[in-house]
Amino acid sequence: GAVVSQHPSRVICKSGTSVKIECRSLDFQATTMFWYRQFPKQSLMLMATSNEGSKATYEQGVEKDKFLINHASLTLSTLTVTSAHPEDSSFYICSARLDLRAFFGQGTRLTVV
Amino acid sequence: GESVGLHLPTLSVQEGDNSIINCAYSNSASDYFIWYKQESGKGPQFIIDIRSNMDKRQGQRVTVLLNKTVKHLSLQIAATQPGDSAVYFCAENNGDSWGKLQFGAGTQVVVTP
Repeated sequence: GAVVSQHPSRVICKSGTSVKIECRSLDFQATTMFWYRQFPKQSLMLMATSNEGSKATYEQGVEKDKFLINHASLTLSTLTVTSAHPEDSSFYICSARLDLRAFFGQGTRLTVV
Repeated sequence: GESVGLHLPTLSVQEGDNSIINCAYSNSASDYFIWYKQESGKGPQFIIDIRSNMDKRQGQRVTVLLNKTVKHLSLQIAATQPGDSAVYFCAENNGDSWGKLQFGAGTQVVVTP
């Protein structure tokens, strides 16, 4: 099956700093990747669609200057949470599309202190 | 389904019994559906998918049923095992060219011995 690797799995950072999360498709090329945010006991909320070689498309209400997305190659997309604050603490998950199917990374637990 | 999850409905199932998890969707334009399993602290794992031109699809111990008339999707798990305990999400694609998925609220399945 298709494998998507997300790194780091956990990160703690100080308020005001930036954090970069990587999402890699290990055994396939993904033109399109997606970034989600998930709060405890809740569903996945789509933040943005990341397309290789072009600007990401953000969902309504998601600050593009806050959550920087770069999809520099067909196997790597990165999400940078800039000037992180405690309210940015959450579980961030990426997925990569292969044909119709979307395969997910293992998620990143971000804690901002 | 709409991702309004303020809380997760729970399905308690005895080990060995069959489980049925239901999902209602609202977009009649949706033409592709996926079921995911998410264990605590991990990313969603693909279980099975179905296109709108089908009513039923079977996998290993799982069956997905699609009723387009009432916009209802279900996942049946045969002979439920303790390892099946997780949160299950249905997701739909409404023909979006990028393959964006809309996630349902999720159902917590608890398997009891």
